[in-house]
Amino acid sequence: NAGVTQTPKFRILKIGQSMTLQCTQDMNHNYMYWYRQDPGMGLKLIYYSVGAGITDKGEVPNGYNVSRSTTEDFPLRLELAAPSQTSVYFCASLGDRSEQYFGPGTRLTVT
Amino acid sequence: KNEVEQSPQNLTAQEGEFITINCSYSVGISALHWLQQHPGGGIVSLFMLSSGKKKHGRLIATINIQEKHSSLHITASHPRDSAVYICAVRSFFYGGSQGNLIFGKGTKLSVKP
Repeated sequence: NAGVTQTPKFRILKIGQSMTLQCTQDMNHNYMYWYRQDPGMGLKLIYYSVGAGITDKGEVPNGYNVSRSTTEDFPLRLELAAPSQTSVYFCASLGDRSEQYFGPGTRLTVT
Repeated sequence: KNEVEQSPQNLTAQEGEFITINCSYSVGISALHWLQQHPGGGIVSLFMLSSGKKKHGRLIATINIQEKHSSLHITASHPRDSAVYICAVRSFFYGGSQGNLIFGKGTKLSVKP
């Protein structure tokens, strides 16, 4: 299994641009999550999904959107990027025994 | 006040030393996770605990549910243990049908040879 994969690894955006962060898992997990990690802060939950077609907001959803059309994929969409969205983004999934699997992260800079 | 507090924030040790990282939380939980993050790298799950103690190699994790406290111990520390160690708790208090995770800010460990 490849586990949880994310693309791209790095991205620089200009203010106002949009982009989609891709996340895929091949473990057939129902639960998937998007977190952001800012320097000196704990990871914060942006959005999560409990299965295909079902998503819900986390702690910091403003400025982001998600969709979950398949079990495998959980893309995160940034509309009208702002400097406050400069962060490292992690996608994760939840295994059957409640173990958490993380993707390698996407480092995003908005200038 | 953060719901998950870790101490210390930074820790420097000499190779071979015994290391303890502490985590305190303020809500009822279904599980506590210890995670490891290497510089520039991804996040790896070390332990998931709901009670008692777990051991994996030189790493030991304990949890005291009554005191809402967990510790991560590293015996015979090595420079390759240098990383950020993150405590996270899963609780229905944070929403989600399985309970979402709330994360501590992490403890940055540096082990000198």
